[in-house]
Amino acid sequence: EAEVAQSPRYKITEKSQAVAFWCDPISGHATLYWYRQILGQGPELLVQFQDESVVDDSQLPKDRFSAERLKGVDSTLKIQPAELGDSAMYLCASSTGQGNTGELFFGEGSRLTVL
Amino acid sequence: AQSVTQPDIHITVSEGASLELRCNYSYGATPYLFWYVQSPGQGLQLLLKYFSGDTLVQGIKGFEAEFKRSQSSFNLRKPSVHWSDAAEYFCAVGGSSNTGKLIFGQGTTLQVKP
Repeated sequence: EAEVAQSPRYKITEKSQAVAFWCDPISGHATLYWYRQILGQGPELLVQFQDESVVDDSQLPKDRFSAERLKGVDSTLKIQPAELGDSAMYLCASSTGQGNTGELFFGEGSRLTVL
Repeated sequence: AQSVTQPDIHITVSEGASLELRCNYSYGATPYLFWYVQSPGQGLQLLLKYFSGDTLVQGIKGFEAEFKRSQSSFNLRKPSVHWSDAAEYFCAVGGSSNTGKLIFGQGTTLQVKP
């Protein structure tokens, strides 16, 4: 069964360091999402791509976060510099891109701890 | 503004008992509604979804949910809970006018007593 792949699963870093997360969506899925899930809360959308273009990054803290999907396939989310408040689970999801008639398929997530 | 409220942060039920998890939404147009489940340390898995038509929808693992427009609710139910159902459950809302963005509730943690 096709899955969304994410790495690393766990990352511990010190504040002010740079971190990066990688996501490989299900093959053929045009839409890719990065969500942040703080412990005890629901996921919150950070950025949404349609192919290689950003569709929505209104909730992305652009002073320290960046995301790219250069070839419209896999994607990288970067944080520089990391802050204590960035500790969270970073979830990647993909869908076929046909609006909300499609299901979002989630990866297992990357858990970040900032010390 | 679009929002989802899950009033119960934590619910404990006995194995074999029935379950109902509450979800209320605020959305200006016709909502698309979803329930996802998340096991510890894992990603989210779709349980069921409502787009239109029959307001009672069936999902995987024996779950069902009922859309009630007059109450802005989309409650999740299961007639008999199994120990493996212990997890966190998220209700989410999206709309036909966007490209797939979902807004999630805060989640309800389900504990199952033997």
